Amino acid sequence: SQTIHQWPATLVQPVGSPLSLECTVEGTSNPNLYWYRQAAGRGLQLLFYSVGIGQISSEVPQNLSASRPQDRQFILSSKKLLLSDSGFYLCAWAGVSGNTIYFGEGSWLTVV
Amino acid sequence: GESVGLHLPTLSVQEGDNSIINCAYSNSASDYFIWYKQESGKGPQFIIDIRSNMDKRQGQRVTVLLNKTVKHLSLQIAATQPGDSAVYFCAENRGLSGGSYIPTFGRGTSLIVHP
Repeated sequence: SQTIHQWPATLVQPVGSPLSLECTVEGTSNPNLYWYRQAAGRGLQLLFYSVGIGQISSEVPQNLSASRPQDRQFILSSKKLLLSDSGFYLCAWAGVSGNTIYFGEGSWLTVV
Repeated sequence: GESVGLHLPTLSVQEGDNSIINCAYSNSASDYFIWYKQESGKGPQFIIDIRSNMDKRQGQRVTVLLNKTVKHLSLQIAATQPGDSAVYFCAENRGLSGGSYIPTFGRGTSLIVHP
């Protein structure tokens, strides 16, 4: 069966520090990968999606970037965090041509 | 622009009652809809889906209804239990070239079940 792992689960970072959130999927090949952000009490905002290695599409302009160095690895990064980057970040995957995406457990980021 | 939204941000019910969570969508081209359940501090979990060529689909204690005429989607939960307390999101899928999809989520409805 397919599983998705996301880490770290929680982190507190100072303003201006870098960020790296990692996500890996097991049990499938060539998945579509997604990064979402969820502010407290809000809906899910799509940040990036990837349909293949090195292929990244950004949905909103922001202080973040994403990379896909391997087929089942998706990384969310920032060079300098802002207070507004605080939130709950969710990695997700879907099979090629799959209609349904499946989420990881999320990473809580607090920028102080 | 096109969007998916929910009518009620919070729904409180008594244990054992039936719950109905509503969702409106505006993109008439959407052909696939999904309901997710998100418990506190966790990622959303798939509940049930429905294609636009269907009006109703049933799962275990859940039913999704789709009214394309008024672009309305609802999730019905029978015999609501305390474990059903969570935030529920509807999502519509936007198709990409190559057959992939991107779901667009509504704001969510918080379901509170009182024992």
